[in-house]
Amino acid sequence: GAGVSQSPRYKVAKRGQDVALRCDPISGHVSLFWYQQALGQGPEFLTYFQNEAQLDKSGLPSDRFFAERPEGSVSTLKIQRTQQEDSAVYLCASSAPQLPYTEAFFGQGTRLTVV
Amino acid sequence: GQQLNQSPQSMFIQEGEDVSMNCTSSSIFNTWLWYKQDPGEGPVLLIALYKAGELTSNGRLTAQFGITRKDSFLNISASIPSDVGIYFCAGEDTYTGANSKLTFGKGITLSVRP
Repeated sequence: GAGVSQSPRYKVAKRGQDVALRCDPISGHVSLFWYQQALGQGPEFLTYFQNEAQLDKSGLPSDRFFAERPEGSVSTLKIQRTQQEDSAVYLCASSAPQLPYTEAFFGQGTRLTVV
Repeated sequence: GQQLNQSPQSMFIQEGEDVSMNCTSSSIFNTWLWYKQDPGEGPVLLIALYKAGELTSNGRLTAQFGITRKDSFLNISASIPSDVGIYFCAGEDTYTGANSKLTFGKGITLSVRP
């Protein structure tokens, strides 16, 4: 597609529910990132994939958060047993690494509200 | 952890005025970036800076990478209503060619009065 597509755009979950957020990166982009953006804050890094390999997951806040990209294209961020503090916008970005620098293109995000 | 400091939280200017935003860090970054985010959208890259001391322009935008590698500024000249939005600085501390882990500031909300 023309840009990074995320779905759903909005998700309301009851506390304790599991959720799955989807990211369709720009076609051909090997790098994919997930960020969490709380209200009034800048995005915070969660995890990074190069193709299907998850190279960095140091930003995942707890073991309730899990991300996968099994075929090196679409990625899913799963949050188990959601808590109120998980309420945020989850942004996905993709890039095609090129020297000296490559731009990461962000999707519109999924706004998750845990009630 | 690393933090980028942006202040003030909000800025209000008159259309046609110039505005300058600063970003400072407690640690060194190899790449500095400036993004703009509109409501309901993801951040969009405005300018990327790769070398200490580098001054780069993109239309009415000018940004500089501080020589200490711990700060950067963004100037917007002759502001127009569509400049309204949230401006984030971001730094990458490890050069990978893939901006894999960016640290963002909290952002500055810019309002432009017609």
